Amino acid sequence: GDSVTQMEGPVTLSEEAFLTINCTYTATGYPSLFWYVQYPGEGLQLLLKATKADDKGSNKGFEATYRKETTSFHLEKGSVQVSDSAVYFCALSDPKTGANNLFFGTGTRLTVIP
Amino acid sequence: DTGVSQNPRHKITKRGQNVTFRCDPISEHNRLYWYRQTLGQGPEFLTYFQNEAQLEKSRLLSDRFSAERPKGSFSTLEIQRTEQGDSAMYLCASSLEARNTGELFFGEGSRLTVL
Repeated sequence: GDSVTQMEGPVTLSEEAFLTINCTYTATGYPSLFWYVQYPGEGLQLLLKATKADDKGSNKGFEATYRKETTSFHLEKGSVQVSDSAVYFCALSDPKTGANNLFFGTGTRLTVIP
Repeated sequence: DTGVSQNPRHKITKRGQNVTFRCDPISEHNRLYWYRQTLGQGPEFLTYFQNEAQLEKSRLLSDRFSAERPKGSFSTLEIQRTEQGDSAMYLCASSLEARNTGELFFGEGSRLTVL
């Protein structure tokens, strides 16, 4: 079945460091891929998405490229800030049902220290 | 506040009791979703409504769980005869079908603790 495997955390980085959070997926079709973020005390919110192979999603300095050949959607940011401290979830949508059913990874907690 | 609202935010109950959670979606959103999240795990899909119709249910949704969205606006999730394994965060999300962008708007969740 469809699934997402996400890099385990927690991840602690110094401000301005480079961030990579790995995500790989298993799907029978051609899913859409997402990164959601949960800041402390807030609900999950969409960070970025990509709907087909080789698409790059980007937002707030974060980027992720849909790699069909490696079934990956790794999240990157060149220079993290303290305000990026949050839990990051990789997710995919079942192509048979569209966005009706999202499969999430286990989440990666990022802490950025000044 | 025009986001997704969930109540109560935290519920502590004894095993065997019934509990009900309420979700108020963003007003113009016709799709509403319930997810469950346990400690250290990502959210797991439970069920989904389009307007008042419940269109999909996960195998995680046992017979003790029932969800309704009677007027296509707010939704309730009831758990009967709670068990300790039901302890989790219950998340509600909504979206607008017409856009179908895959973006769900989540509430802050209702945390259930079953003693």
